[in-house]
Amino acid sequence: GAVVSQHPSRVICKSGTSVKIECRSLDFQATTMFWYRQFPKQSLMLMATSNEGSKATYEQGVEKDKFLINHASLTLSTLTVTSAHPEDSSFYICSATGGQGAAKNIQYFGAGTRLSVL
Amino acid sequence: SQKIEQNSEALNIQEGKTATLTCNYTNYSPAYLQWYRQDPGRGPVFLLLIRENEKEKRKERLKVTFDTTLKQSLFHITASQPADSATYLCALVANSGYALNFGKGTSLLVTP
Repeated sequence: GAVVSQHPSRVICKSGTSVKIECRSLDFQATTMFWYRQFPKQSLMLMATSNEGSKATYEQGVEKDKFLINHASLTLSTLTVTSAHPEDSSFYICSATGGQGAAKNIQYFGAGTRLSVL
Repeated sequence: SQKIEQNSEALNIQEGKTATLTCNYTNYSPAYLQWYRQDPGRGPVFLLLIRENEKEKRKERLKVTFDTTLKQSLFHITASQPADSATYLCALVANSGYALNFGKGTSLLVTP
């Protein structure tokens, strides 16, 4: 159980284009989803937290107009990198929670999306 | 500021030995501490959660300790196998909500 699917796994795009990444919880309802980015040999950095049906909460330094997050249902959240530039190249990972009590702290991660902007 | 520190140097051990990884934290008062495993190019996978009132928790060959006085958690893998080779991440809940802050992780390499 607790499977999170993330798509695409890899995307290469030209500078200036927008890229959408999908994150789906396959076998549970994800009340909260998170988006992280990770640079090589670095830790996961939280970008934003999204709750179904409400606006995402962005971490300090993350441009909300640059990284658009939509969490329209309890099983789907999307991250759109708008007008991507080479510095946006990174590994983007989503996660979801849906349990109760202590289990709500456990996050189930997607496999990640490697974004390369040329 | 809040910090989660893990030994940044890779840990190389021989198959069958016990691997011990350390996580130290500052400026947190965590109710829970978690350990995740991450393989290259993949998302992290949850391993264990330990509560502040639990000194130790076990799951198969894994053992986690949590000392809130020392502000430290130790993660042990007994009878290690080459398949245990991965990066292991320590995580604590951020101040607000259920978002997690992760340490940089410790890379473990188990050689036959």
